[in-house]
Amino acid sequence: AQTVTQSQPEMSVQEAETVTLSCTYDTSENNYYLFWYKQPPSRQMILVIRQEAYKQQNATENRFSVNFQKAAKSFSLKISDSQLGDTAMYFCAFANAGNMLTFGGGTRLMVKP
Amino acid sequence: EAGVAQSPRYKIIEKRQSVAFWCNPISGHATLYWYQQILGQGPKLLIQFQNNGVVDDSQLPKDRFSAERLKGVDSTLKIQPAKLEDSAVYLCASSLGQGSYNEQFFGPGTRLTVL
Repeated sequence: AQTVTQSQPEMSVQEAETVTLSCTYDTSENNYYLFWYKQPPSRQMILVIRQEAYKQQNATENRFSVNFQKAAKSFSLKISDSQLGDTAMYFCAFANAGNMLTFGGGTRLMVKP
Repeated sequence: EAGVAQSPRYKIIEKRQSVAFWCNPISGHATLYWYQQILGQGPKLLIQFQNNGVVDDSQLPKDRFSAERLKGVDSTLKIQPAKLEDSAVYLCASSLGQGSYNEQFFGPGTRLTVL
């Protein structure tokens, strides 16, 4: 069984600054995907970024990038140039080969003007 | 492209009553998932369908929860009888296929309150 741990229940950042959200996971599998999902207040979950475990290069999507450390089983999300619309719950998730997602407990991010 | 649709959006019932939730996935998506998200926690997978067959239901409390996807498109999740601890948001998601490279798209959820 997989476990995903997000050790920061809440974080805040000033608009335009950079913030990093942490995630660690535990698995015995070799082939898997890791994801960061965003859940804005009262809105639905959307995918922010994903990383394939067999790729060494860290994924990047515009202002969002990850630091994937496979040996350490660490998968952090960096948000650059934070915007007010980035305020949301952020969930780290692990997908096994069958695409069954295991989520972490979430980090509530508040972007302050 | 229309997203994942769920209804109702909100439901309030008393304990021991029954309730059903409906999900319509994105057209063409073969794989459908139901998640339970308790307030303050991450979603937990309850059941995964591939077309009209169950792939995994290991975390579904089968004494009170049931789900079906009879024609491989829409799905219903039922709770009978409901308990206080079933209060949660029930999320439906769909993906093109079962492989983990397939992005899951989530619906808006049904918020259930059990009194």
